[in-house]
Amino acid sequence: DLQLTQSPSFLSASVGDRVTITCRASQVFARHLAWYQQRPGEAPRLLIYDASTLHSGVPSRFSGSESGTEFTLTISGLQPEDFATYYCLHLYDYPYAFGQGTKLEIK
Amino acid sequence: QLVQSGPEVTIPGASVRISCRASGLSLPRHFIHAVRQSPGQGLEWMGIIDPSVGGTNTHFAPSFQGRVSLTWDPSTATVFLDLPALQSEDTAIYYCARSLGDTSDDAPDIWGQGTVVTVSS
Repeated sequence: DLQLTQSPSFLSASVGDRVTITCRASQVFARHLAWYQQRPGEAPRLLIYDASTLHSGVPSRFSGSESGTEFTLTISGLQPEDFATYYCLHLYDYPYAFGQGTKLEIK
Repeated sequence: QLVQSGPEVTIPGASVRISCRASGLSLPRHFIHAVRQSPGQGLEWMGIIDPSVGGTNTHFAPSFQGRVSLTWDPSTATVFLDLPALQSEDTAIYYCARSLGDTSDDAPDIWGQGTVVTVSS
């Protein structure tokens, strides 16, 4: 089964910063990875799909990329509402799986 | 939106059925995912169902295979997640989520509000 290793687990940053979250896969696969944001008490929200496609209504400060087995979520110019937990999800082959999550906190 | 059934409080060994109904959007042409989130923990992908083939096409993560089931009722356009023989470690929020497109590898984009299941003696 394909495994995802998400890092870092915790990230402390300030408003206006640029941050990067990474998911590394146990094997090479193309495209079928999504990124989610989850705020406390809320359902997850889709940000990026197909590794780099911005979902409708998501601010352009969010971006995704892939290189080999590494997938990256970048937030450029953090806003107060961005402090949340982020997850990657692969949809390459069954069983699908989420990364372990990254909690982004205000410094 | 996806509307899930309300919170459940039950005892170990009991079963729970969670419903997931579409309100104002189509389900049969989209896959439905089930996701679990234990208290203070991350998201855990449980399984997926394809309503377009009468709900006979399902796949589950190994830790849930044979322990849970996903079914589709076309008369009410509702997906059901059945959780039999619950244990305290099954206490969690359970989500259903609809795929963005009509293929299984389309990311889930519309999520239900979550159903809190509490298992305690």
